[in-house]
Amino acid sequence: NAGVMQNPRHLVRRRGQEARLRCSPMKGHSHVYWYRQLPEEGLKFMVYLQKENIIDESGMPKERFSAEFPKEGPSILRIQQVVRGDSAAYFCASSAGTGDRQPQHFGDGTRLSIL
Amino acid sequence: AQSVSQHNHHVILSEAASLELGCNYSYGGTVNLFWYVQYPGQHLQLLLKYFSGDPLVKGIKGFEAEFIKSKFSFNLRKPSVQWSDTAEYFCAVRGYGGATNKLIFGTGTLLAVQP
Repeated sequence: NAGVMQNPRHLVRRRGQEARLRCSPMKGHSHVYWYRQLPEEGLKFMVYLQKENIIDESGMPKERFSAEFPKEGPSILRIQQVVRGDSAAYFCASSAGTGDRQPQHFGDGTRLSIL
Repeated sequence: AQSVSQHNHHVILSEAASLELGCNYSYGGTVNLFWYVQYPGQHLQLLLKYFSGDPLVKGIKGFEAEFIKSKFSFNLRKPSVQWSDTAEYFCAVRGYGGATNKLIFGTGTLLAVQP
């Protein structure tokens, strides 16, 4: 499967713990995007990264959330000290570039549940 | 600020009925427009996209959408739906030429097709 791979598919954490969500882009894609889908809402942009660079983090909460896309390995979305309101589906997408004809391809998402 | 409105939150149709899902966007410049579909338990898949040219865009599975610039609309249509079209449909917009490449999504329309 050469698609966008996210793991885990489901993640359960207790309040105060850390959550780490991983995303491996499609082969040949160097642009990664994270979106969050809260219950009964559409997807909201969080952050856009290229290898080793954060390009746009305008959708990231100011505290507890961070993202990285290292030179080697998957992109990581990290949520520290999780709270109930962090429960959501987190989707990763990737693209080959930023040109107008470069659509984003989505992974299956990670469903995060906070107890 | 960019925004996307999907007017129909839930739509129930019988098989063979015609479908039209509304999408309006707010953006001051040139846009790229997308419709994504999310089948139960699956990731978002690109149905169709508009970048430029012919405002009537044909996508996969018999779907089409028409870009009407004067109305800021990009409605999705299908002449005859099937039970397998049961899914959630998301309209999205991306500002042309921006560095960020982020997608702004509508809240989605849940379509249920009854056999």
